[in-house]
Amino acid sequence: GESVGLHLPTLSVQEGDNSIINCAYSNSASDYFIWYKQESGKGPQFIIDIRSNMDKRQGQRVTVLLNKTVKHLSLQIAATQPGDSAVYFCAENSDQFYFGTGTSLTVIP
Amino acid sequence: DVKVTQSSRYLVKRTGEKVFLECVQDMDHENMFWYRQDPGLGLRLIYFSYDVKMKEKGDIPEGYSVSREKKERFSLILESASTNQTSMYLCASVEQGRDYEQYFGPGTRLTVT
Repeated sequence: GESVGLHLPTLSVQEGDNSIINCAYSNSASDYFIWYKQESGKGPQFIIDIRSNMDKRQGQRVTVLLNKTVKHLSLQIAATQPGDSAVYFCAENSDQFYFGTGTSLTVIP
Repeated sequence: DVKVTQSSRYLVKRTGEKVFLECVQDMDHENMFWYRQDPGLGLRLIYFSYDVKMKEKGDIPEGYSVSREKKERFSLILESASTNQTSMYLCASVEQGRDYEQYFGPGTRLTVT
């Protein structure tokens, strides 16, 4: 079966610092990856995606890095803000989507 | 903006009860999904539908059924609720051919006592 996991279940950062959230996946056939943000009491919200033919993709304050060699995905959030506090999880797509368990990010003011 | 709504945010039911979870999307999307989300397990696909009256089993369909009588509405049915079905249930909607842009509803937290 698929295995999509995160290295750390929780992460605390100071406001203004950069955050890095990691994700490992197991299926080398996965060709598409997404990062979601889920705030308390809300459904997951799409943040950024990346296809397997790319190594890096940037959005507004967020960057996703893909290392296919070690099957590793990371989400970098620049200048982390209190509103970034949420659970972040990755998803990989091969025949269907498989979701990671999530990292809870807490931003300390 | 796509809006996916779910009928209840919180629900408490007794073991053996029949439970209906409703999901409605307003963007004329063909594809709809039901997931459950449990701590340490991530989202797991229960059922999905690519068209009206069409349904496909996901990874964990046991104990659940679905109904898609109208394009905008996708219902999840627990025929006889059990305590191990206590979970957060999330509905998602996506336009045909754009499976990656899943729009999620706010979720229904179901507790079965």
